[in-house]
Amino acid sequence: ETGVTQSPTHLIKTRGQQVTLRCSSQSGHNTVSWYQQALGQGPQFIFQYYREEENGRGNFPPRFSGLQFPNYSSELNVNALELDDSALYLCASSYARTGNNEQFFGPGTRLTVL
Amino acid sequence: AQKITQTQPGMFVQEKEAVTLDCTYDTSDPSYGLFWYKQPSSGEMIFLIYQGSYDQQNATEGRYSLNFQKARKSANLVISASQLGDSAMYFCAMREADNTGNQFYFGTGTSLTVIP
Repeated sequence: ETGVTQSPTHLIKTRGQQVTLRCSSQSGHNTVSWYQQALGQGPQFIFQYYREEENGRGNFPPRFSGLQFPNYSSELNVNALELDDSALYLCASSYARTGNNEQFFGPGTRLTVL
Repeated sequence: AQKITQTQPGMFVQEKEAVTLDCTYDTSDPSYGLFWYKQPSSGEMIFLIYQGSYDQQNATEGRYSLNFQKARKSANLVISASQLGDSAMYFCAMREADNTGNQFYFGTGTSLTVIP
C-alpha cells in the first residue's frame, strides 16, 4: 500500500510568482484535503476535493485553487505569491467524503517566498 | 469564537505516567468529528484517534483514549504509560459541515515532553 506522497519537498519562489504543489493520495482513497501550516501554528484548512469536485473551502483567497484528477491525485495552485504564503503545505487523503475516516497526511512541501 | 481551543502550550510528563491534553471545541453542527494528531519534530502529521459526535462510547486506540464530554464540548486526549517517543506536538482538530462541504479546524497544539 503506497502512502501519501507530495512533491516537491522544498520550493523557493519570489513574490508575485505562481506555484503548483502536487499530491498523490493513498491507494483506494478518493478524497484529498490541503492545509497550510505556518511555523509554530496548527494547520489551516484550505480546501477538500472529493471525486474531482471541491467539497469544502476554508478562509483562503481565490488565488489558492486546486484540482483533483481521475486517479484522485491533486494539485494546489497559488498565484501572485505573497511573503505570508511561506509555510508547510500538507496534503491528506481519506476514503469517505465526510472525512470521518482518518486522514493520512503526506510529508508536506515547504514553500519559501522571498 | 475559536473553533478549537488547546490551552496548554507545553506539558511535561514522566516516562510511564499518564498525561491528559486538553481540548475544547465550538460548533453548532449536530454531526461533527473530533480528531487528535501527533506531529513529531520531523514534521509528519500522524493520526491518533477519532470520535464522532454521535458515538456513545469514548474512543480508544491502544494507549490513546479520548475523554469525550459532549455537554462541555470537551475532547481531551489521554495518553497512558508515556514513552520517550511520545514527545511531540499534539493537535486537536474538528470536522464540521457547512454549505460548501466539509470544514476542518485545528487547534494551536500542545508540545508534550516525556522525561526519562
